[in-house]
Amino acid sequence: QQQVKQSPQSLIVQKGGISIINCAYENTAFDYFPWYQQFPGKGPALLIAIRPDVSEKKEGRFTISFNKSAKQFSLHIMDSQPGDSATYFCAASTHNFGNEKLTFGTGTRLTIIP
Amino acid sequence: GAVVSQHPSWVICKSGTSVKIECRSLDFQATTMFWYRQFPKQSLMLMATSNEGSKATYEQGVEKDKFLINHASLTLSTLTVTSAHPEDSSFYICSASSRYTEAFFGQGTRLTVV
Repeated sequence: QQQVKQSPQSLIVQKGGISIINCAYENTAFDYFPWYQQFPGKGPALLIAIRPDVSEKKEGRFTISFNKSAKQFSLHIMDSQPGDSATYFCAASTHNFGNEKLTFGTGTRLTIIP
Repeated sequence: GAVVSQHPSWVICKSGTSVKIECRSLDFQATTMFWYRQFPKQSLMLMATSNEGSKATYEQGVEKDKFLINHASLTLSTLTVTSAHPEDSSFYICSASSRYTEAFFGQGTRLTVV
C-alpha cells in the first residue's frame, strides 16, 4: 500500500485551543481524503472528508485544509473540547465508492486538557 | 451515516479453537466489505477485501487459510479466525461500502486467545 505519513504521533492541547494534525501522501492517484476519529475500544468514525478540487472544507469546528501541489492535508479542530480527546487517523484512497481501499496514516492521539 | 454492526464486540477463546466474527450493514446493501486488524496504539492494517458473491482478496502476508472470509449476501460478511493462537489476539474491524456511499466502520471486535 502507498504510504500516508501522519504527524504528530501525540498532541496535547488546552481546552479552547486549536488542534492541528498533518498528513502527507505520495500517490497522486489518491483523490479522496477522509479523517476518522476513534475512541478506545471502538471502530473509527468518519469525521470529515475532502476531494482535491477544493482547498478547504469546514464542518462545524472541524476544517480540512488541502494542498494538492504539496500533497499534504491537515485537520484543524477549533475550540478543542475534552470530548475531542481521541485518536485521529487520516486516510486516502481513489474516489471509487464501492471499492475504495483506504490507506491510513499512523494516527494521532489527541488529549485536550482543561 | 449508515450503520454497520459487528458482532461480537469481544470474545475470549481457547488456543486451537475457531472464532467467527460477523459484520452486517443494517441500512444499505454493501457491495464491498473490508476487514482490518489493529494492534494497540497502532493504525488499521487492511487484511482483505471481499465483494459479495466472490472470493476475498487478501493483502500480502495475510494467511487466507487462517482468516476465512465469507461475503454471502449484500448485508453480511464473516471473518473466521481458524485454529486461533495467542498471537491472533487483536482488535478486528470491518467496514462496508456501496457504489453510493463511502465506507462505514463497525464497532470492532476484541479477540483474546488464551
